Amino acid sequence: RKEVEQDPGPFNVPEGATVAFNCTYSNSASQSFFWYRQDCRKEPKLLMSVYSSGNEDGRFTAQLNRASQYISLLIRDSKLSDSATYLCVVYTGRRALTFGSGTRLQVQP
Amino acid sequence: SQTIHQWPATLVQPVGSPLSLECTVEGTSNPNLYWYRQAAGRGLQLLFYSVGIGQISSEVPQNLSASRPQDRQFILSSKKLLLSDSGFYLCAGNSGLSYEQYFGPGTRLTVT
Repeated sequence: RKEVEQDPGPFNVPEGATVAFNCTYSNSASQSFFWYRQDCRKEPKLLMSVYSSGNEDGRFTAQLNRASQYISLLIRDSKLSDSATYLCVVYTGRRALTFGSGTRLQVQP
Repeated sequence: SQTIHQWPATLVQPVGSPLSLECTVEGTSNPNLYWYRQAAGRGLQLLFYSVGIGQISSEVPQNLSASRPQDRQFILSSKKLLLSDSGFYLCAGNSGLSYEQYFGPGTRLTVT
């Protein structure tokens, strides 16, 4: 079983739609959680950290469910510029991050 | 805020040739530094990480090596490249006070 699993997609949604991605992790001792965004042929960039109480940054909302070991990312009012691959990332205390393979989002006009 | 620099941006090398990729960091002292590889359409694989000068931990056995000769310099090397070494190589760092990592622009390596 992969340490971090994501649906690879693609998720094809129209502009203005709301879209949600889920991610599951296998290590119950995982300490910190993040969503990164990666554009085609570019480096990953931190989108947001995920806190236990859930957190929001503009159109983006992240949630953590420790009991079920999953993380979610909700994007409201999708823009064309949101088209990218979204990486679920987990820190398990071994000094390095574990990355999911990513979920591809394509927002269409 | 820290900035990660990497070069070159793209590289085409023949099988059996040596490799040296350099990563430098500015904006922070004593960072933790990481080398990742991303194969086409795949996730990021951690290759090496370093918590200080001369301190290297290897995550995956392979024909690559890493060195950290200075606090803000991290080098990825190979004596003889294999076809399977092709990929997108990313250097990342964090300050040690947080777990969030920031990435350099990457080097796209094609071994022919």
